[in-house]
Amino acid sequence: QVQLQESGPGLVKPSQTLSLTCTVSGGSISSGGYYWSWIRQHPGKGLEWIGHIFYSGSTYYSPSLKSRVIISVDTSENQFSLKVTSVTAADTAMYYCARDVGGNYDSWGQGTLVTVSS
Amino acid sequence: DIQMTQSPSSLSASVGDRVTITCRASQGISNYLAWFQQKPGKAPKSLIYAASSLQSGVPSKFSGSGSGTDFTLTISSLQPEDFATYYCQQYNSYPWTFGQGTKVEIK
Repeated sequence: QVQLQESGPGLVKPSQTLSLTCTVSGGSISSGGYYWSWIRQHPGKGLEWIGHIFYSGSTYYSPSLKSRVIISVDTSENQFSLKVTSVTAADTAMYYCARDVGGNYDSWGQGTLVTVSS
Repeated sequence: DIQMTQSPSSLSASVGDRVTITCRASQGISNYLAWFQQKPGKAPKSLIYAASSLQSGVPSKFSGSGSGTDFTLTISSLQPEDFATYYCQQYNSYPWTFGQGTKVEIK
């Protein structure tokens, strides 16, 4: 059973870069056919798809965040990462990583809360 | 972007009730639709993918149907552990988008 765990700073200053890592255990991130995804949820709100990276390295981002987001994979560490640049208070949210194969999300991290504040 | 609209936004139901939640896409998405359950303070949990395929380990009281633009999630007999917020998501075209959620509360 694959398990995912998010990690990273819980507090980021405005205009700085939010950096999160999702560590994958119980399986290889290089396994074919999977998308490695980031999804966020603003406090008290619904889910927002940020983007994902295919095991081959292809990335797909939400247009609303595309200019500020990078998702990457580190196969040596069995991790994938999210970077959001130039953050504002509107980026304060719970961030989830997940694995999906064509819309079938079979594994989720527990989520990590990131607050943007000075 | 494809807009996903769920109805109702919230509902009150009793244990044992049959509950149906609707999700409508702003354009056709074939069967590229997933359903999730989220309880307070927890990560979402996958229930259904490909509109009607049950995620492994999910009880058969959950079922999904639909194709094109109109989809439903049905809980055949509501149990206390089913009180939660439910979301649909389309993955037919980028960006993948979620519905706004349906909160199922105890009557």
